[in-house]
Amino acid sequence: DIQMTQSPNSLSASVGDSVTITCRASQNIRNYLNWYQQRPGKAPDLLIYSASSLQSGVPSRFSGSGSGTDFTLTISGLQPEDFATYYCQQSYSPRPLTFGGGTKVQIK
Amino acid sequence: QVQLVQSGTEVKEPGASVKVSCKTSGYTFTTYGISWVRQAPGQGLEWMGWISGYNGNGNQAQKFQGRVTMTIDTSTTTAYMELRSLRSDDTALYFCARDHGEYAYIDYWGQGTLVTVSS
Repeated sequence: DIQMTQSPNSLSASVGDSVTITCRASQNIRNYLNWYQQRPGKAPDLLIYSASSLQSGVPSRFSGSGSGTDFTLTISGLQPEDFATYYCQQSYSPRPLTFGGGTKVQIK
Repeated sequence: QVQLVQSGTEVKEPGASVKVSCKTSGYTFTTYGISWVRQAPGQGLEWMGWISGYNGNGNQAQKFQGRVTMTIDTSTTTAYMELRSLRSDDTALYFCARDHGEYAYIDYWGQGTLVTVSS
């Protein structure tokens, strides 16, 4: 199975800051990488699919990049509602789908 | 609008089975699949498997093979996930989610069903 490693596990930032989360795959997954946001007690929300495509309705301050094994999620100008946990997920075939361990973004 | 509505909280004893339902609406059920993802308390997301809404084919993560059954009912646009031989470490929030299929992504999610396994 493809392993996904996220870093950091957590970070502290202030409203207005820009933050970057990284995700590394254990093998080449081309651009089959998705990002999700999860608030406590809620289901995840899809933010970015295919490494860099913004899901409909997601604010443009979220962006994704990368291909192959290394990927990043950037939030430009953190808003109060962005304090949450973020997960990457690979969707390369054959399955299983696998998620990264998550990055918790906390208020400084 | 796309909606996935799951069945309610379950409390089971070790060794029992649980069946969670996921009623979908707002899209063509047969065009997409359904993935099942679980989240143990305070832990990350774990993909369990998926099933095609078109023909009922799919696969499960090796960890769950032999213990989980995923089914669909196209007449009611509902998906089901049954997990057998429950253990305490199966205590988790179980989500269903709309799955775009191979090489794709999962987008809309159900609200989650809490399954607690305890004697």
